[in-house]
Amino acid sequence: NAGVTQTPKFQVLKTGQSMTLQCAQDMNHEYMSWYRQDPGMGLRLIHYSVGAGITDQGEVPNGYNVSRSTTEDFPLRLLSAAPSQTSVYFCASSYSGSDEQYFGPGTRLTVT
Amino acid sequence: RKEVEQDPGPFNVPEGATVAFNCTYSNSASQSFFWYRQDCRKEPKLLMSVYSSGNEDGRFTAQLNRASQYISLLIRDSKLSDSATYLCVVRDSGYALNFGKGTSLLVTP
Repeated sequence: NAGVTQTPKFQVLKTGQSMTLQCAQDMNHEYMSWYRQDPGMGLRLIHYSVGAGITDQGEVPNGYNVSRSTTEDFPLRLLSAAPSQTSVYFCASSYSGSDEQYFGPGTRLTVT
Repeated sequence: RKEVEQDPGPFNVPEGATVAFNCTYSNSASQSFFWYRQDCRKEPKLLMSVYSSGNEDGRFTAQLNRASQYISLLIRDSKLSDSATYLCVVRDSGYALNFGKGTSLLVTP
């Protein structure tokens, strides 16, 4: 199993550009989520999904959209990038009823 | 947002030392508790869950005090490879995890 994969690893955007961060898992996990990690802050939940076709907002959803059309994929879309969205983004997945979340390697995003 | 507070660190300890990390959480209804480890520029990985009865995994011991809303992690006989950031994590109801800011540990020769 590849586990949780994320692409790209690094990205530089200009303010106002849009892009999609990709996340995929091959463990047949029902739950998937997106976090951002900023210096001096804990990981903060952006959006999550408890199954295909079901998504919900986390703590910091503004400026981001998600969809979950398949069990495997959970892309995160930045609609109009802002410098405040410069961060490291982690995707995670888990079985329903399991407390352990498996994280992808992260995407380092810089918005200039 | 419910808060998870950790020792600010960093902790610099020699090999073989015993080191303890503490964490407090604000939501008395929190259900699950964990320590995750995060190496520099890597993703977090589950180190261990924390149970009310206390639990041990080799050199690592985790304890939970629900009355005081306090979680601890003890590392005995520190190794160079233990150098990392340790994240205190709490799950309230539902799916979302609340992460502390992390405590950095550096084990030196």
